[in-house]
Amino acid sequence: EAAVTQSPRNKVAVTGGKVTLSCNQTNNHNNMYWYRQDTGHGLRLIHYSYGAGSTEKGDIPDGYKASRPSQENFSLILELATPSQTSVYFCASGDWVYAEQFFGPGTRLTVL
Amino acid sequence: AQKVTQTQTSISVMEKTTVTMDCVYETQDSSYFLFWYKQTASGEIVFLIRQDSYKKENATVGHYSLNFQKPKSSIGLIITATQIEDSAVYFCAMRDLATGGNNKLTFGQGTVLSVIP
Repeated sequence: EAAVTQSPRNKVAVTGGKVTLSCNQTNNHNNMYWYRQDTGHGLRLIHYSYGAGSTEKGDIPDGYKASRPSQENFSLILELATPSQTSVYFCASGDWVYAEQFFGPGTRLTVL
Repeated sequence: AQKVTQTQTSISVMEKTTVTMDCVYETQDSSYFLFWYKQTASGEIVFLIRQDSYKKENATVGHYSLNFQKPKSSIGLIITATQIEDSAVYFCAMRDLATGGNNKLTFGQGTVLSVIP
C-alpha cells in the first residue's frame, strides 16, 4: 500500500492560473519535501516542512508557496502559474534519524 | 556547500553481469549519510540503500552493495547479477549532519543503466 500519494497525477493549467498539488503520507514522518525534476537539472528542492504548521524555503522557492496543515498533508501552491513551471513534481517524506526520503509517484504539470 | 557528482551519464551491461556506478561528493562535515535511489521508466523513485559515514563496513541490501571510500569521498553502487528490471536511472544523494533537522538531500545528476538481454 503506497505510503506517499500525490494528486492529481497529471494537470494542465493555463498561464496565470492557480494550481494546487497535494501530497499525503502515511509514514508518520515529521519531514516532507517538494521537488521538481527537469531534464538536465535532476531533482531540485522547492519547499520542505518539519511538521504541521511549518514550511521552509528550499533551493528554488520563487513562484511557489507551501502549506502543511497536518502531519499527513503537504501542498504546493502555484498562485500564478507560468510555462517555466511545467515540470514533474515529486513529494517525499522522511524521518529525523536517518534522513532517507520516500517519494510519491509524481505529478506531471503542464502550464500552457 | 555540498555537491554530489555522477560522472557516468549512461552505462550498458549484459544481463547477469555486475555493474558499478560511480559517485563522488563534497562536504565540509565529518559525519553524513549517503544514499542511492532508483528511478524506473514509469517515473517512480525508490530508495535502495544507505551508507553512514561513521561505519567502515560497506552496506549491502539484496543484490545492491556499496563501495565506500571515505578518503576519496567516493560511494559506488554495485549491482550483482543484473536483471532486465534493473534498467533505470540511478541517483546518488547525500545529507550531512550540518544541515540540522531538516534532513535536506543533495542529489547527483543520475546515471542511466541499460541491462541488455
